[in-house]
Amino acid sequence: QSVLTQPPSVSGAPGQRVTISCTGSSSNIGARYDVHWYQQLPGTAPKLLIYGNSNRPSGVPDRFSGSKSGTSASLAISGLQAEDEADYYCQSYDNSLSSSVFGGGTKLTVL
Amino acid sequence: QITLKESGPTLVRPTQTLTLTCTFSGFSLSTSGEGVGWIRQPPGKALDWLGLIYWDDDKRYSPSLKSRLTITKDTSKNQVVLSMTNMNPVDTATYYCAHRSSSSGALDYWGQGALVTVSS
Repeated sequence: QSVLTQPPSVSGAPGQRVTISCTGSSSNIGARYDVHWYQQLPGTAPKLLIYGNSNRPSGVPDRFSGSKSGTSASLAISGLQAEDEADYYCQSYDNSLSSSVFGGGTKLTVL
Repeated sequence: QITLKESGPTLVRPTQTLTLTCTFSGFSLSTSGEGVGWIRQPPGKALDWLGLIYWDDDKRYSPSLKSRLTITKDTSKNQVVLSMTNMNPVDTATYYCAHRSSSSGALDYWGQGALVTVSS
């Protein structure tokens, strides 16, 4: 059971917009700790997609965006493309655990 | 350019100690703010944060694994070592090391991962 809760799966057709939620609590996201998002393509290592809630590293398309509000964060992907099919993970810090934590991951299927 | 690579045994017997080495380049763990983390991923499952070592030798561990984990660094060799005692088949996973960004705290560069199987 992950401290950060993500939907197991989401799907969308090419060109559509999808969002992936990451729900935490007052000891992590709600405590104003930053949320980071990672994309893991099949058979590869995770790649940083969004850092500090809403910032994109160089090279990440602006189709990917992040936001945070209260005890939750969201990753939005617009203009879905076949190559976006991957697992997505959120990460934050939890002060009750004194540890970084990952969400359970969300599998994105492009229909 | 920052790169990291994990190395170590692919097969470990139950109750043995796992030792994995992360060899990196493109940064120095003697520089203020730098850190290297360890993360694992059982087959078909989610990422699991294990721990982190900072430039000043401060270490943080997952509370659920703290009693079994030790992370050390060799700054002269640009290496970080993860030791996990009393290995069990449920510890079978791909183990990753990653660079922690000093500005954002995110894991901005990852190694390719090392699959470790625990079996007798």
